[in-house]
Amino acid sequence: DGGITQSPKYLFRKEGQNVTLSCEQNLNHDAMYWYRQDPGQGLRLIYYSQIVNDFQKGDIAEGYSVSREKKESFPLTVTSAQKNPTAFYLCASTSSGGFEKLFFGSGTQLSVL
Amino acid sequence: RKEVEQDPGPFNVPEGATVAFNCTYSNSASQSFFWYRQDCRKEPKLLMSVYSSGNEDGRFTAQLNRASQYISLLIRDSKLSDSATYLCVVNIEQTGANNLFFGTGTRLTVIP
Repeated sequence: DGGITQSPKYLFRKEGQNVTLSCEQNLNHDAMYWYRQDPGQGLRLIYYSQIVNDFQKGDIAEGYSVSREKKESFPLTVTSAQKNPTAFYLCASTSSGGFEKLFFGSGTQLSVL
Repeated sequence: RKEVEQDPGPFNVPEGATVAFNCTYSNSASQSFFWYRQDCRKEPKLLMSVYSSGNEDGRFTAQLNRASQYISLLIRDSKLSDSATYLCVVNIEQTGANNLFFGTGTRLTVIP
């Protein structure tokens, strides 16, 4: 079955450590997104990519980095510069060129030790 | 001003009740609209797209009012399983990129 897979489901980060969240999709979607969700808040866009080898900053990109070397993969690195990384991270994808719905991964809960 | 605003609730309603949520958007260029459902610590899932003519899916009815720039979701005969957070999502296509804006969500609890 086609879908979007995030891993790990839970991740713990030590102070000063970089961690990478994985996002893979086999839906042949061009566009992929990373969102952050804090309790009681909506989803905020971190980075998005409309096409391979290209990505754009979202509203809260500071302290994060991404790559898009393959169409299927859009990993997110939470760097040590992100001082408040504890949140629920959601990856999503959609086909480009239309008003298509988002397909979400099941999310990664990141916590700081 | 936020692109999309929702009343966060919580809305606590008894089983069988009818409940309605509104969501306002600020950009008149908004082009497509959605309601997503999110259970606690799960991914959001598409509940309904919202069309200009309004649309219904079983107990759920979505409406769009472009003049007043709001969308609504009506749930009839509430079930315990309807308890969730409902997210309003607006798409504003700008410079060829799809831009999706999420509301903060409205929390619904259906009480036995």
